[in-house]
Amino acid sequence: AQSVTQLDSQVPVFEEAPVELRCNYSSSVSVYLFWYVQYPNQGLQLLLKYLSGSTLVKGINGFEAEFNKSQTSFHLRKPSVHISDTAEYFCAVRTSNTGKLIFGQGTTLQVKP
Amino acid sequence: DGGITQSPKYLFRKEGQNVTLSCEQNLNHDAMYWYRQDPGQGLRLIYYSQIVNDFQKGDIAEGYSVSREKKESFPLTVTSAQKNPTAFYLCASSPGLANTGELFFGEGSRLTVL
Repeated sequence: AQSVTQLDSQVPVFEEAPVELRCNYSSSVSVYLFWYVQYPNQGLQLLLKYLSGSTLVKGINGFEAEFNKSQTSFHLRKPSVHISDTAEYFCAVRTSNTGKLIFGQGTTLQVKP
Repeated sequence: DGGITQSPKYLFRKEGQNVTLSCEQNLNHDAMYWYRQDPGQGLRLIYYSQIVNDFQKGDIAEGYSVSREKKESFPLTVTSAQKNPTAFYLCASSPGLANTGELFFGEGSRLTVL
């Protein structure tokens, strides 16, 4: 069975600093990988996704992620964060044979002025 | 505008009462899902449906029930058998279970049991 692990529950960072949110997955079959963002008391919004092709994926709001098959990772990065990036971020994996989306536990990004 | 509408946004319930959360989508998506969100636990799948009149249990279906009588509607009933129902509930849809695309989420319903 597949699973997703987000290695940090909270990541505090100062405004304009770079940030990396870590995500590792386990699966014995091909996967599709996603990052979602959730603002307080709202639903989830897609940041970016990896389906195939280039391992570096660019998303909305200046975020990007790199798929590393050998390390089974899909870390999310942003070179310079803003206060408005403060939110909870979820990594998710979807296998090619089931189609169900499995979520990690979430990482709270706290951007400080 | 196309999207997913969940209602009510906030709901309070006394112990022992059943409550139904509404989820409607006008995206013409085949698949619909219900997730439960608790702090520090991410999202856990309750039920999902690929087509009308068909649905499957997810990882935490006990104490919940669903129906899929129409393509655009997928209501979730939280029954009195659910031992810890206080949570944030999210409904989502996708073009199809086998589709490689992402899920589209509603704004959520927060249920509090008094």
